[in-house]
Amino acid sequence: EPEVTQTPSHQVTQMGQEVILRCVPISNHLYFYWYRQILGQKVEFLVSFYNNEISEKSEIFDDQFSVERPDGSNFTLKIRSTKLEDSAMYFCASSLRQGSYGYTFGSGTRLTVV
Amino acid sequence: AQRVTQPEKLLSVFKGAPVELKCNYSYSGSPELFWYVQYSRQRLQLLLRHISRESIKGFTADLNKGETSFHLKKPFAQEEDSAMYYCALTLGAQKPVFGQGTRLTINP
Repeated sequence: EPEVTQTPSHQVTQMGQEVILRCVPISNHLYFYWYRQILGQKVEFLVSFYNNEISEKSEIFDDQFSVERPDGSNFTLKIRSTKLEDSAMYFCASSLRQGSYGYTFGSGTRLTVV
Repeated sequence: AQRVTQPEKLLSVFKGAPVELKCNYSYSGSPELFWYVQYSRQRLQLLLRHISRESIKGFTADLNKGETSFHLKKPFAQEEDSAMYYCALTLGAQKPVFGQGTRLTINP
């Protein structure tokens, strides 16, 4: 069964540093997403990406965040200057279509900002 | 705005007992409802969706539009069912909105 792959599984970074979280979506999927889950809290939407541009973003996704699909296979989330409150599990997801077709999630990257 | 509510953060049942994980939603259209499961240290996995009306791993969920609920049920719990369960909703082409999740623990 095709999978969404995320690397690294765990990243520790110092406050103020830049981090890049990487995702390889399922190859024929067209829609890509980042979600985050702060420990003990619900899964929150960050951003959706389609046709090489952001299609929707939440208020969490401020100027410190950016996404890229640099080479047609990877889908990255960059946090420019990490804050303690960015510590969370970050999930990448992809889907062939929007709506009722379901979404395939990666296993997540646990980001710890110290 | 669409909202998904899972009233129980924690649910603990004994092996062999019935399980019901509650999910209620508020919406302004005709939503699609899903259940996702997250086993310890693993990815979020789609468990089932209401449009397919299927049973996965013995779990079923019926969309009750009158009560705006999509409760997840299993008649006989198994230890391997211990996991986090998330109810999610999509409306049209919009991205999924998740509930807070319920941690299900099956006691031997």
